[in-house]
This record gives sequence, C-alpha cells and structure tokens, in this order.
Amino acid sequence: DAKTTQPPSMDCAEGRAANLPCNHSTISGNEYVYWYRQIHSQGPQYIIHGLKNNETNEMASLIITEDRKSSTLILPHATLRDTAVYYCIVARNTGGFKTIFGAGTRLFVKA
Amino acid sequence: DAGVIQSPRHEVTEMGQEVTLRCKPISGHDYLFWYRQTMMRGLELLIYFNNNVPIDDSGMPEDRFSAKMPNASFSTLKIQPSEPRDSAVYFCASSLLKDTQYFGPGTRLTVL
Repeated sequence: DAKTTQPPSMDCAEGRAANLPCNHSTISGNEYVYWYRQIHSQGPQYIIHGLKNNETNEMASLIITEDRKSSTLILPHATLRDTAVYYCIVARNTGGFKTIFGAGTRLFVKA
Repeated sequence: DAGVIQSPRHEVTEMGQEVTLRCKPISGHDYLFWYRQTMMRGLELLIYFNNNVPIDDSGMPEDRFSAKMPNASFSTLKIQPSEPRDSAVYFCASSLLKDTQYFGPGTRLTVL
C-alpha cells in the first residue's frame, strides 16, 4: 500500500477552517484516501474517505487533486475539541490490504 | 450498538507472565483488526481477520504473540511470555466489508 507524507504539526484558531494536507504520490488507481483522527488516549476515529471526487460529510470535507497525488482535509469551523492527531491513509478496499498509519499531523486548535 | 468493546482497559503484569487481551467487535462486522501503539513506532497493524479467519499476520512481532477469533463476536490477542518491550496500548477495530474501521478504547499494557 502507498505511503503518505503529512506535516508533523499545525495550529489553527478556533472558529477558523483547518486545512490539513497529505501527499500520496505513489497512490494506485484502486486505492482510496482515508482520514482518521485520534484524540488523546482514545482509539482512532474515522472522519471521511474518497477515491477521486471531493467528499463532504457532517465532520469534514476531503479535496483530492485531479492527479490524486495529494489531498486536503478541511475542518470548516475548528473547535477546541478538534485538537487531535490526524492520520491520512491510502488503502484498497478490495482484496488483501494493510492499513498503514504514519505519524500523522498533530493539530492544535487555539482559543 | 455499544461499539467495539475491549477488556481489560488496563493491565499490569510482570515479565514472563501470560497476557490475554480481549475484543468484542461490532455485531455484523466481518473484519477484525488488532493494532499496537507506542510512542516510538506509532500505530502498527498486527493482524486482521475476515469472517473469523486470519488473513494477514505479518505484523505480529514474534512467536510470543498469537491471536484467535473462535467466533464472530470474540477475539483474543495473547502474549506468552510477556516482556517489558511489549508495553503499549493495544487497539482492536472492526469493519464491514473493509470499509470504515471502528476502534475500541484500547488496552494499556504495562509489563514490569
């Protein structure tokens, strides 16, 4: 499965949009982009995933570039409770696969 | 649904002892995953099952680790004998058709 590259940390002001980038230049055509987050001491929590098109749900939006080599997770109105480590993962959802979590991005939302 | 349930939440044991971690996946999910998280190595996939059958155990660190899934509602991860370097948080996760994974609260293992 493809590896991803994320900045180690980012800051965001409360109420502003948080834009978390992810590079996955070796992604294969059948691999999805998944985002999870882990709030301190808890298990990782699914946020959103996509293949080619941009996706939006009640938590976030996912923007995938046309060449699929990078993506951005957008939290439209960050709150203090969004402070967490955010993981970008690429994986197939058919056949055998491994979910490889990198180091992620530690997002600090500040009042 | 109660979500993924793990027990115990905390375990402290001495080196050389056997440790058994337990997981109850979400009802109806057909995939179950075991992960280990440490500060040094991050979150690592150890093994995953599909319909109670182990599919990929290449992440299991060594023969001291074993995992079983006797039925669709229960899985165990056993370490025998345990060593201090096994100290970590162990997460269980389940999913339906390898889609979104739902994680349990984790078991924090300390081996003295």
